[in-house]
Amino acid sequence: EAGVAQSPRYKIIEKRQSVAFWCNPISGHATLYWYQQILGQGPKLLIQFQNNGVVDDSQLPKDRFSAERLKGVDSTLKIQPAKLEDSAVYLCASSLDWGGQVTSYEQYFGPGTRLTVT
Amino acid sequence: QKEVEQDPGPLSVPEGAIVSLNCTYSNSAFQYFMWYRQYSRKGPELLMYTYSSGNKEDGRFTAQVDKSSKYISLFIRDSQPSDSATYLCAMEEGAQKLVFGQGTRLTINP
Repeated sequence: EAGVAQSPRYKIIEKRQSVAFWCNPISGHATLYWYQQILGQGPKLLIQFQNNGVVDDSQLPKDRFSAERLKGVDSTLKIQPAKLEDSAVYLCASSLDWGGQVTSYEQYFGPGTRLTVT
Repeated sequence: QKEVEQDPGPLSVPEGAIVSLNCTYSNSAFQYFMWYRQYSRKGPELLMYTYSSGNKEDGRFTAQVDKSSKYISLFIRDSQPSDSATYLCAMEEGAQKLVFGQGTRLTINP
């Protein structure tokens, strides 16, 4: 089974520029998550989609961050304009979320995109 | 006060040692407790999953949850160099919304 795919793996931009990250979840997984992991910290949930609907975006800085999941499969996270404090690893995860078993809700993470804003 | 507190370490122990990793939390609504392992330049992977209070064992790993004290632990027996990674505790009250600790960076020295 292929894992969660993310691209690019690394990105360096200047502040005030825009950037986009792409995520392809595990096939058949209904729920997709974007997390921000700042160096030395645990991941923080930015947005959660179930199929193509938003379940939770309470921690997404909506003045500069946007995300979409068209057709309920892959997803794009965009930052415009970027700030220095956006330097972090952006992790995408997905979970199956059906079947009634606890293990159906396990979140599988991709390798992340490391963003550096200079 | 953060919802989940975890000693960031770093923690360095010799091979074969017993390792104890801990987290405390403030939200009494948390019901599901997880430990993730994250190798350098990789995404986190689920290691252990516990519902409510009690112990769970999986090979060399034991997870403990004490809801009365709002305290969870992960024990690693007979630690191996391959166990060197960052260990993240995570908690969930429902709807799959995980709240992570800061992570503890662990190094096992051969």
